[in-house]
Amino acid sequence: AQSVTQLGSHVSVSEGALVLLRCNYSSSVPPYLFWYVQYPNQGLQLLLKYTSAATLVKGINGFEAEFKKSETSFHLTKPSAHMSDAAEYFCAVSDHGSSNTGKLIFGQGTTLQVKP
Amino acid sequence: DSGVTQTPKHLITATGQRVTLRCSPRSGDLSVYWYQQSLDQGLQFLIQYYNGEERAKGNILERFSAQQFPDLHSELNLSSLELGDSALYFCASSVQGAGGYTFGSGTRLTVV
Repeated sequence: AQSVTQLGSHVSVSEGALVLLRCNYSSSVPPYLFWYVQYPNQGLQLLLKYTSAATLVKGINGFEAEFKKSETSFHLTKPSAHMSDAAEYFCAVSDHGSSNTGKLIFGQGTTLQVKP
Repeated sequence: DSGVTQTPKHLITATGQRVTLRCSPRSGDLSVYWYQQSLDQGLQFLIQYYNGEERAKGNILERFSAQQFPDLHSELNLSSLELGDSALYFCASSVQGAGGYTFGSGTRLTVV
């Protein structure tokens, strides 16, 4: 069964600083991995996804993530934080194994605070 | 606008009541997923439909049910509501079961 662990429920950075949000996964099959962002009172928006192609994945709004199989990690980074990046971020793994339903198993989320 | 439409956006109802949440998927998407988001449980998968048929079930209570109609819209029915059912309910759709799908903006249910 797949699972996701997000390290740190709350991350605070200064505007212009590096953003690093950590995600580790567990999967019995080669994983499909995703990062979503949720702004207050809104739905979830897909930032980027890894589906077994390039291990460095670029997404929207300057975010990228690197799939590291040896570390079972899929950390999200952005070189320079902007005030508008303040939101909650969710890492997820897709159930595309034997059941192949495509349902997502989400981590508990990380709230990113950006200080001026 | 994500293309996935959920109605209503907000719903306040009393314990013991029944409500129906509606979801219209993005044009061309055959799969619909329902998720519940609460402070204590996080994002929990409830149920998935694919082209009108139930495909997968998650942590969905027996008091809850769903269906997907021929026009591919879906409804989530919640009955005998309890205070603990207060949450955000999201619908998402995709072309087929491969993740990375599109979420609606959710229905915020408050049970009083």
